[in-house]
Amino acid sequence: NAGVTQTPKFQVLKTGQSMTLQCAQDMNHEYMSWYRQDPGMGLRLIHYSVGAGITDQGEVPNGYNVSRSTTEDFPLRLLSAAPSQTSVYFCASSSSGQGYTEAFFGQGTRLTVV
Amino acid sequence: AQTVTQSQPEMSVQEAETVTLSCTYDTSENNYYLFWYKQPPSRQMILVIRQEAYKQQNATENRFSVNFQKAAKSFSLKISDSQLGDTAMYFCAFMKHLKEYGNKLVFGAGTILRVKS
Repeated sequence: NAGVTQTPKFQVLKTGQSMTLQCAQDMNHEYMSWYRQDPGMGLRLIHYSVGAGITDQGEVPNGYNVSRSTTEDFPLRLLSAAPSQTSVYFCASSSSGQGYTEAFFGQGTRLTVV
Repeated sequence: AQTVTQSQPEMSVQEAETVTLSCTYDTSENNYYLFWYKQPPSRQMILVIRQEAYKQQNATENRFSVNFQKAAKSFSLKISDSQLGDTAMYFCAFMKHLKEYGNKLVFGAGTILRVKS
């Protein structure tokens, strides 16, 4: 089972460059989210989606764009990278079933902006 | 807004001993879930244990158990018979029960646990 796949695993960008972090899941989950992990701050929600065509902002959305054109994919775009966006990024997905549904995480992307 | 606080940045324990990681949270919700996640050096996020707020009984999973005090908004993790493989960062996390919120998680800052041989 592939689960949640994030690419790339590592990336170095120069300030001002743009890039897209890819996230794909093969579990037909409706809910998908992007988090960033920084030392001493845990994981913080950037953007999330409750289904194809529906996205909303999380706690730290500035500098990031998302779209959800299919159930499977939820890419995160950095339009003009800044050193403050150096972080580890996680994508997660879960189903919208009744009651509790477990969140599945990708392996993370370590991004360094120089 | 919900907040999750882990007041112990780092802890260490001898192999085979018991250790307790602390977590407090703040919310006005009555129905919610609480979790402990483990993150080893591989960066993988692994669900250790979860607790439904409406359940009074504390959750247990093998060597892992929680002490859930709803009135005090406290959710500690006890690891018994610690093993070297338990060395990791541990995150406490909160999730609202309402589905329209998309299963969003609010995390604490994390506690690094080192198990010594």
